[in-house]
Amino acid sequence: DAGVTQSPTHLIKTRGQQVTLRCSPKSGHDTVSWYQQALGQGPQFIFQYYEEEERQRGNFPDRFSGHQFPNYSSELNVNALLLGDSALYLCASSWGRGYTFGSGTRLTVV
Amino acid sequence: GENVEQHPSTLSVQEGDSAVIKCTYSDSASNYFPWYKQELGKRPQLIIDIRSNVGEKKDQRIAVTLNKTAKHFSLHITETQPEDSAVYFCAALSNAGGTSYGKLTFGQGTILTVHP
Repeated sequence: DAGVTQSPTHLIKTRGQQVTLRCSPKSGHDTVSWYQQALGQGPQFIFQYYEEEERQRGNFPDRFSGHQFPNYSSELNVNALLLGDSALYLCASSWGRGYTFGSGTRLTVV
Repeated sequence: GENVEQHPSTLSVQEGDSAVIKCTYSDSASNYFPWYKQELGKRPQLIIDIRSNVGEKKDQRIAVTLNKTAKHFSLHITETQPEDSAVYFCAALSNAGGTSYGKLTFGQGTILTVHP
């Protein structure tokens, strides 16, 4: 058990719809980062949350937004879904340099 | 921003042989370099990491070397076994002031296949 929990594990959405993915970090971790992993590619950094604020952001459009709650859990929201948003979305929690990844949410946009 | 290049993209070896995967990074401020193993449909799992003040680290059959001057680091797996078959990713972490605000930048991945 990696300690990072993501839900749901799989999701199918239609183009133009909106989706919310959820992440519960490992106990003791205060920082949550989200990554998008397209098939056959390395994970790409979307953004990072700390103390309920977005600390850093990668090269993703504003359709991608997030939130962190007081208990450090986090949500990733994607609006106006495109076919190209189909990917594995990974949540990683961290404290200092130690990152722990969740199992991811497989999003398919049709 | 940081850019990490990883080679080769695929690597096929016979059981018992050694495997080497190489990565280069662009941001000289990067100070932490983890390696992850990802099996099909599973999460990336940390297998070894190295900090910028260390040149080499070894853990049983796995070792990582870091050349800060050349900005490259490598993963070495000796006595490979079929269960080592997976996708391997290198990553570099750059952050400000040793805080947890850094981000990991990943390489493109190497598909390692170990033939029995």
